[in-house]
Amino acid sequence: EDKVVQSPLSLVVHEGDTVTLNCSYEVTNFRSLLWYKQEKKAPTFLFMLTSSGIEKKSGRLSSILDKKELFSILNITATQTGDSAVYLCAHTGGFKTIFGAGTRLFVKA
Amino acid sequence: KAGVTQTPRYLIKTRGQQVTLSCSPISGHRSVSWYQQTPGQGLQFLFEYFSETQRNKGNFPGRFSGRQFSNSRSEMNVSTLELGDSALYLCASSLNGLGEWAYGYTFGSGTRLTVV
Repeated sequence: EDKVVQSPLSLVVHEGDTVTLNCSYEVTNFRSLLWYKQEKKAPTFLFMLTSSGIEKKSGRLSSILDKKELFSILNITATQTGDSAVYLCAHTGGFKTIFGAGTRLFVKA
Repeated sequence: KAGVTQTPRYLIKTRGQQVTLSCSPISGHRSVSWYQQTPGQGLQFLFEYFSETQRNKGNFPGRFSGRQFSNSRSEMNVSTLELGDSALYLCASSLNGLGEWAYGYTFGSGTRLTVV
């Protein structure tokens, strides 16, 4: 059965710190890996990764995929309190999306 | 453009009742997926519809069902509600449900269902 595992489950940092969130996956037929940020209810899309080694960037956030080692990381530099959220990683393929349990990030002022 | 709209936002039902939740996707999106989110289990895939056809489903009992209409709006139904069905139900829409073309899914704000 396909699965996505995220670590750590929770993380507390201070403003200005850099954090790395991890996502490993075991799927029978890899298609795409997605990252989402969930603050209250609706997760908002961050990145979609399909190719190994190509970094996606958006401001202070970046993500990369390693298809050989079956994992992805999400980096957040110079964290701000507004980055406090649950970060979700998901594999999508076969008309089905499997989410990891998420990493709850809390950024202290 | 309007986002994904889910109604109602909140719902309280008693055990044994049934409930119907609605999801209107972004205009032009033909794929609608449904998820159940609970603190213990995270986001779990329920089913995905495209052009009125269910293309895949997760590991949920038959009490959970859904359908999609010709205008791509979707409903999910839960019959014989149990306390454990209390959760946030999210739907997400995409152009065609294929990750590499969909460029991610857009989620609605969800329906918070409480079963008492």
